[in-house]
Amino acid sequence: GAGVSQSPSNKVTEKGKDVELRCDPISGHTALYWYRQRLGQGLEFLIYFQGNSAPDKSGLPSDRFSAERTGGSVSTLTIQRTQQEDSAVYLCASSPTILRTGMTEAFFGQGTRLTVV
Amino acid sequence: DAKTTQPTSMDCAEGRAANLPCNHSTISGNEYVYWYRQIHSQGPQYIIHGLKNNETNEMASLIITEDRKSSTLILPHATLRDTAVYYCIVRVGGFQKLVFGTGTRLLVSP
Repeated sequence: GAGVSQSPSNKVTEKGKDVELRCDPISGHTALYWYRQRLGQGLEFLIYFQGNSAPDKSGLPSDRFSAERTGGSVSTLTIQRTQQEDSAVYLCASSPTILRTGMTEAFFGQGTRLTVV
Repeated sequence: DAKTTQPTSMDCAEGRAANLPCNHSTISGNEYVYWYRQIHSQGPQYIIHGLKNNETNEMASLIITEDRKSSTLILPHATLRDTAVYYCIVRVGGFQKLVFGTGTRLLVSP
């Protein structure tokens, strides 16, 4: 597709269960970002992948959160033993990297709305 | 990344120019100024970016002061669809994470 695709669009899970959220970035984009946005709040940075470099995991809130990016393309965000405070919209973005101009427009998906009950 | 300071909220009448300020007094020489916006229930959308010179595109204009310590995003003729949260971000470029602050909530009214 032409844009960043996230699946599922909505997910309801029971407290304590594990969930996997998927992000398909735009083809050829070297950078991929995950964010969390709780209701009425701002975007909270979670993790950043850039090419083959080690990911920047500085935003992951706990060890229950992890993310992988396979083959430099698709990414999966996994939340283990979900808690009610994990309820939020999880947004993925990708961008190319053009060093000369600093132009790194990030394109966002529509997000996955996670509800933990 | 340098920190940015933006007003929490602003109002603008439809058809008038919306001028959104951003302070980034600790910006480094190699850091760019980026603007994104997030319309309710959507993912953020890139608007414009600049380094030193003023920039203009089909969406907006970006005015950066000569000392680069502040900038202003200008929407020349605001419409109701411009109601959104506007984020000002400074970062070096492609090899740094993109971190959003709290932004300015712009309300465009008829």
